[in-house]
Amino acid sequence: GQNIDQPTEMTATEGAIVQINCTYQTSGFNGLFWYQQHAGEAPTFLSYNVLDGLEEKGRFSSFLSRSKGYSYLLLKELQMKDSASYLCAVTPANDYKLSFGAGTTVTVRA
Amino acid sequence: SAVISQKPSRDICQRGTSLTIQCQVDSQVTMMFWYRQQPGQSLTLIATANQGSEATYESGFVIDKFPISRPNLTFSTLTVSNMSPEDSSIYLCSVEVRTDSYEQYFGPGTRLTVT
Repeated sequence: GQNIDQPTEMTATEGAIVQINCTYQTSGFNGLFWYQQHAGEAPTFLSYNVLDGLEEKGRFSSFLSRSKGYSYLLLKELQMKDSASYLCAVTPANDYKLSFGAGTTVTVRA
Repeated sequence: SAVISQKPSRDICQRGTSLTIQCQVDSQVTMMFWYRQQPGQSLTLIATANQGSEATYESGFVIDKFPISRPNLTFSTLTVSNMSPEDSSIYLCSVEVRTDSYEQYFGPGTRLTVT
């Protein structure tokens, strides 16, 4: 089975940096996704990590350590529009079915 | 990326009835998935929609309750049968896209309320 943990809520100030951690314990592992979901909307794809290390996409970066079962999503230069739920999801070995964590609600304050 | 549409976007249905949700993609995709997101919860995979064969269901979900069709590589339907208030959820389809990397995209979702 899959056990995926991420913090429930985080609050940060506009212009700051926030790091959302995700730890997982899975029976087999293929890769890890991060999604952004605004209230009442569908999840939007942010990143997919398969290999260890950091991948950067503009203001968002995602890190993966397979040996530690750990990932984080880094949001830089926070903007008010970044207030959303951020979902960590893993895929098992040899498969692409997503198992989601409960999500982290990020609130950006002026 | 992929452009995904779902119909209907929302519906209010009576207990005991059934609703069929459509998912259309703008390009051919191999894998399509159906998820459910209950109020205040994260997403749970219902099934994988396989083209040319029966869908593969996850634990806790059965074909009689959630029949799925996948007639071609751009379209799928999910039916929520004999609905009860506990079926009130957002239902989302997703597709995988493989280029030089791997990505999964979600449709806009269907918000279902059962009264």
